[in-house]
Amino acid sequence: DSGVTQTPKHLITATGQRVTLRCSPRSGDLSVYWYQQSLDQGLQFLIHYYNGEERAKGNILERFSAQQFPDLHSELNLSSLELGDSALYFCASSVDPASGDTQYFGPGTRLTVL
Amino acid sequence: AQTVTQSQPEMSVQEAETVTLSCTYDTSESDYYLFWYKQPPSRQMILVIRQEAYKQQNATENRFSVNFQKAAKSFSLKISDSQLGDAAMYFCAHRIYNNNDMRFGAGTRLTVKP
Repeated sequence: DSGVTQTPKHLITATGQRVTLRCSPRSGDLSVYWYQQSLDQGLQFLIHYYNGEERAKGNILERFSAQQFPDLHSELNLSSLELGDSALYFCASSVDPASGDTQYFGPGTRLTVL
Repeated sequence: AQTVTQSQPEMSVQEAETVTLSCTYDTSESDYYLFWYKQPPSRQMILVIRQEAYKQQNATENRFSVNFQKAAKSFSLKISDSQLGDAAMYFCAHRIYNNNDMRFGAGTRLTVKP
């Protein structure tokens, strides 16, 4: 158990819908990262938040957005869902990105778009 | 841009034997970090080992060790005394110091035969 929690574990929805994925980082970690893993592929970095502020964006679609709240949990919002958005979405957390510290991953949320 | 290449989509090893997984990366930076993550069928991403580029000594964690060749930009993972529980996807990852973007390779699927 990495200490990073993600809810829900599974999510099934229809095209055109909007969903919210939630992540709680490890205690003490200020950074939250979101990744997307499509079927049998590597992870793609989406976005990084540090202590409530957006730090970096990767390959994140405009239909996707995220935020980190004062209690440091984060939410990833996916809207106008398409079949191709079906994937495993991981959240990871770390203490301080500047130190290059290790990212610890949550169990992931499996999103299926029908 | 950073790229990470894992040239072995699949590998197989006999239980108790040793196997080496390959990883090469491309970066123009001198300060960076390298990681191996394991993803078992549960899909959880588990950190296996980490290497700082400024350290010449290869990292070791129990049965797992790396062969870090900075000049060749190579970072292979050796698993000794392979166990059935080692069967998983293994991802190599690269992250530049003080940068938020961690790049993953496509992964190597390791099968352990009893």
